[in-house]
Amino acid sequence: NAGVTQTPKFQVLKTGQSMTLQCAQDMNHNSMYWYRQDPGMGLRLIYYSASEGTTDKGEVPNGYNVSRLNKREFSLRLESAAPSQTSVYFCASSERGISSYEQYFGPGTRLTVT
Amino acid sequence: GENVEQHPSTLSVQEGDSAVIKCTYSDSASNYFPWYKQELGKRPQLIIDIRSNVGEKKDQRIAVTLNKTAKHFSLHITETQPEDSAVYFCAASRGGFQKLVFGTGTRLLVSP
Repeated sequence: NAGVTQTPKFQVLKTGQSMTLQCAQDMNHNSMYWYRQDPGMGLRLIYYSASEGTTDKGEVPNGYNVSRLNKREFSLRLESAAPSQTSVYFCASSERGISSYEQYFGPGTRLTVT
Repeated sequence: GENVEQHPSTLSVQEGDSAVIKCTYSDSASNYFPWYKQELGKRPQLIIDIRSNVGEKKDQRIAVTLNKTAKHFSLHITETQPEDSAVYFCAASRGGFQKLVFGTGTRLLVSP
């Protein structure tokens, strides 16, 4: 099993450009998430999808959109990138278990907006 | 909304010493408290978690304690080893356990 995969690993954008970050999981999890990680800020939830067909805002949704394409895939779109969106983006997935609600993270995408 | 504060931001210990990281949360309805470890350049990984109906949980050298009255929880690592060096994040959530709010992280450095 590959677990949670993300593409691309690195990306440089100019201000105003758009792009989509892709995420896929092969663990048959219902829930998927997008976080951003900035130095000294920890991980902040951008959007999440509790199950296929549903999406909800997290702490910092402004400037982003998401699509839960199917149970496996959850994409994050930046319509008009801004330097404040320079960050490391992590996708994660989870399933409600009997004793744990572990979120499994992907390897991350390092995005720089100039 | 929930707010999670984490202290200290950095912690240096000698190999074999114990390390304690503390977190406080604001939402009394929060009922799930995981801890994640992130090695340099790697993804976060769950190391231990606790639910609000339990006061303490232990897994080998790591343990987590929860004080619901004071709204704080702590990570304890005993007999630290150099491979414990990493950034540790606490988090809290309520209800569906899905909307985790993370602390700002503690960089632990274990010196041989």
